Amino acid sequence: QSALTQPASVSGSPGQSITISCTGTSSDVGGYNYVSWYQQHPGKAPKLMIYEVSNRPSGVPDRFSGSKSGNTASLTISGLQAEDEADYYCSSYTSSSTHVVFGGGTKLTVL
Amino acid sequence: QVTLKESGPVLVKPTETLTLTCTVSGFSLSNARMGVSWIRQPPGKALEWLAHIFSNDEKSYSTSLKSRLTISKDTSKSQVVLTMTNMDPVDTATYYCARIHYYDSRFDYWGQGTLVTVSS
Repeated sequence: QSALTQPASVSGSPGQSITISCTGTSSDVGGYNYVSWYQQHPGKAPKLMIYEVSNRPSGVPDRFSGSKSGNTASLTISGLQAEDEADYYCSSYTSSSTHVVFGGGTKLTVL
Repeated sequence: QVTLKESGPVLVKPTETLTLTCTVSGFSLSNARMGVSWIRQPPGKALEWLAHIFSNDEKSYSTSLKSRLTISKDTSKSQVVLTMTNMDPVDTATYYCARIHYYDSRFDYWGQGTLVTVSS
């Protein structure tokens, strides 16, 4: 069982917007602004899309945005494109000895 | 240009010990703000963080696997080594190494991953 809770799947049509949630506790998501999001296409390594809740690394389209409210972080993808179809994982710094926890992943299907 | 590359056996037998090496370039393992993590992903399943090590030799391990894992680094060789003892078929997975930032625990660069199969 993953420490952070994500929906197993979400879907949307091209051009639409979708949001993926990531729920933790006050010891991780709620306690720190250190949530990251990763995109993983089949057979590929994960790619960092968002860090520190809402920051985008260079090269990540501004269609990808992040936010947080309480113990839940969210990834929003606007203007969905076929290439966005992938698995998405959240992670967070945690005050536990492990320092980091992952979510269980969300499969995004572009209809 | 930052790169990480995993190497190790593709097949191990049950009860054997797995040794994986991550060779990094483009940054130094003596960088105080960076470290290297190992993360695995069983086929069709989610990412699972295993361990990490920072420049000051600070180490952390997955709570559930702590008794089986050892992480170490050789700064002069730019290598991080993970050993996992008593391998079982459920440990079959793609094993990734990734660069981790000390302060926010983000993984900004990943290796391509190496598939390790545990079978007799």
